[in-house]
Amino acid sequence: AQSVTQLGSHVSVSEGALVLLRCNYSSSVPPYLFWYVQYPNQGLQLLLKYTSAATLVKGINGFEAEFKKSETSFHLTKPSAHMSDAAEYFCAVSGSGAGSYQLTFGKGTKLSVIP
Amino acid sequence: SQTIHQWPATLVQPVGSPLSLECTVEGTSNPNLYWYRQAAGRGLQLLFYSVGIGQISSEVPQNLSASRPQDRQFILSSKKLLLSDSGFYLCAWSVSPRQGGYEQYFGPGTRLTVT
Repeated sequence: AQSVTQLGSHVSVSEGALVLLRCNYSSSVPPYLFWYVQYPNQGLQLLLKYTSAATLVKGINGFEAEFKKSETSFHLTKPSAHMSDAAEYFCAVSGSGAGSYQLTFGKGTKLSVIP
Repeated sequence: SQTIHQWPATLVQPVGSPLSLECTVEGTSNPNLYWYRQAAGRGLQLLFYSVGIGQISSEVPQNLSASRPQDRQFILSSKKLLLSDSGFYLCAWSVSPRQGGYEQYFGPGTRLTVT
């Protein structure tokens, strides 16, 4: 069965500082991995996805993530935080076979940006 | 382009009353459809998913039910609401994994408060 673990339920960074949100996955098959962002009282928006084409994936709003098979990680980064990045971020992994219709989500990391 | 709608946006209902939340998708055919719930301080919980008209898979036994009367319409219902049904309900869609789609796209959500 697939699972994801997001390290840190809350992360605070200063405006202009590096953003690093951690995600580790467990999967018995080559995974498809995703990062989503959720602003207050809104639905989830897809930031980026890894589908085995390239290990460094660029997404919207200046975010990127690197797939590291040896570390079973898919951490999300952004070089310089903006106030508008304050939101909750979810890492997700797809299932396989009959379960490939489903995504397994991490518990989320709330990002605060300090002016 | 594809669009997903949910209504109502907010709902306040007394305990024991019925519930009907609706989700519709535009711009795609035969989507997979999903209902999730986010309770306060908790992550995403998959409630139901559907791969076709009349095909519903339940992930969590509870007093909720789902129906898919049309290809792009997904309805979440309850005959008698419980206090524990309060939360943020999200509908999502995806294309078939056989079409290369694993990511899900989310609607704006419905905030349900049971009083």
